[in-house]
Amino acid sequence: GIQVEQSPPDLILQEGANSTLRCNFSDSVNNLQWFHQNPWGQLINLFYIPSGTKQNGRLSATTVATERYSLLYISSSQTTDSGVYFCAVDRDSGGYQKVTFGIGTKLQVIP
Amino acid sequence: NAGVMQNPRHLVRRRGQEARLRCSPMKGHSHVYWYRQLPEEGLKFMVYLQKENIIDESGMPKERFSAEFPKEGPSILRIQQVVRGDSAAYFCASSPPRTGKETQYFGPGTRLLVL
Repeated sequence: GIQVEQSPPDLILQEGANSTLRCNFSDSVNNLQWFHQNPWGQLINLFYIPSGTKQNGRLSATTVATERYSLLYISSSQTTDSGVYFCAVDRDSGGYQKVTFGIGTKLQVIP
Repeated sequence: NAGVMQNPRHLVRRRGQEARLRCSPMKGHSHVYWYRQLPEEGLKFMVYLQKENIIDESGMPKERFSAEFPKEGPSILRIQQVVRGDSAAYFCASSPPRTGKETQYFGPGTRLLVL
């Protein structure tokens, strides 16, 4: 099956700093999503981004499908950004989209 | 518009008991997916169901686990004779009828603790 690798596995940031999270995938995909899992375990969809660039406030994401990677940018980080960031890709599997998650990047933003 | 609902949010069971996890998809969604997240890991696909049909259960353990999505009511993930290794967060996602490349919408999860 498809492999999804995320880096770095862990990241500690000072509040206000910027960061880039990376997601590499081993095969062509139909869709890619970025999720934030907060410290209470809730999964929040950040971006649905099969290709191109999207921005939402301090977050933006870029997917280069032809080179099989996606980047999530966090600018001016805040303590509320702490949690785990997952990349998840969809592949067409017999007529439906099978989602494969990476193992995540654990982010801690300290004041 | 209510999102995907899961209950209970937290469930504690002793070894050997049964666990029943429920998932109500978003309104208008007829496709349900179950995922398991073990501690410190990402989510792993378990099963994909449409109303009254299991489409893909390739990620489901062969024994003790079963899933259903009846014509009426929520989808149920059932774990019989739970063991400590079943302790995990179980997430449900739903999507609308297939017309293209729909995203899956995730519920808040059920955290199962087996004592």
